Amino acid sequence: DAKTTQPPSMDCAEGRAANLPCNHSTISGNEYVYWYRQIHSQGPQYIIHGLKNNETNEMASLIITEDRKSSTLILPHATLRDTAVYYCIVRALNDMRFGAGTRLTVKP
Amino acid sequence: DTAVSQTPKYLVTQMGNDKSIKCEQNLGHDTMYWYKQDSKKFLKIMFSYNNKELIINETVPNRFSPKSPDKAHLNLHINSLELGDSAVYFCASSYIGGRHYSNEQFFGPGTRLTVL
Repeated sequence: DAKTTQPPSMDCAEGRAANLPCNHSTISGNEYVYWYRQIHSQGPQYIIHGLKNNETNEMASLIITEDRKSSTLILPHATLRDTAVYYCIVRALNDMRFGAGTRLTVKP
Repeated sequence: DTAVSQTPKYLVTQMGNDKSIKCEQNLGHDTMYWYKQDSKKFLKIMFSYNNKELIINETVPNRFSPKSPDKAHLNLHINSLELGDSAVYFCASSYIGGRHYSNEQFFGPGTRLTVL
């Protein structure tokens, strides 16, 4: 019952920007967009979140469209260690609903 | 240094047994969670405790019973284990304070449970 749609897989060349899209057309006004990633079988790792403004931190940038129906996670210079499953989640309260995510493979 | 730790890392047991998984966080957080990740890799929330009080309880068989002796610990006890309980169980923690949600959840390394 995840409220997001992501492509199942993507490839990216090492050193290039990785742009991961997410559709959340039914997002409510009080719901935030969160991104987590899971490397191999480790526990998920928080990346970034936002409400309506674009956000940037040391890991990534988050671009949210003006109508908030979609967003893009940008890893500016992907490395081999960024190979993981990336989850886009929308939530207002504390229960996070993970979807299938996008499996990003960074290739040398 | 470990922020969220779980024990054991691997657990192999027979159907019908009772087992426990332990979780501890040293981040000073007030909220802890249990998630289940099945063979198809879908990650689903099971329980959440805030200040030792149950705040999220998804549709989980009552064979699963979480116990929070204090804010730093959330254990998961499973009775009468079934084959379908085989999965990776992740513990997580966050700080909510007086709000309704937290920004970031920190996850443990997971416990891989195999029921034979």
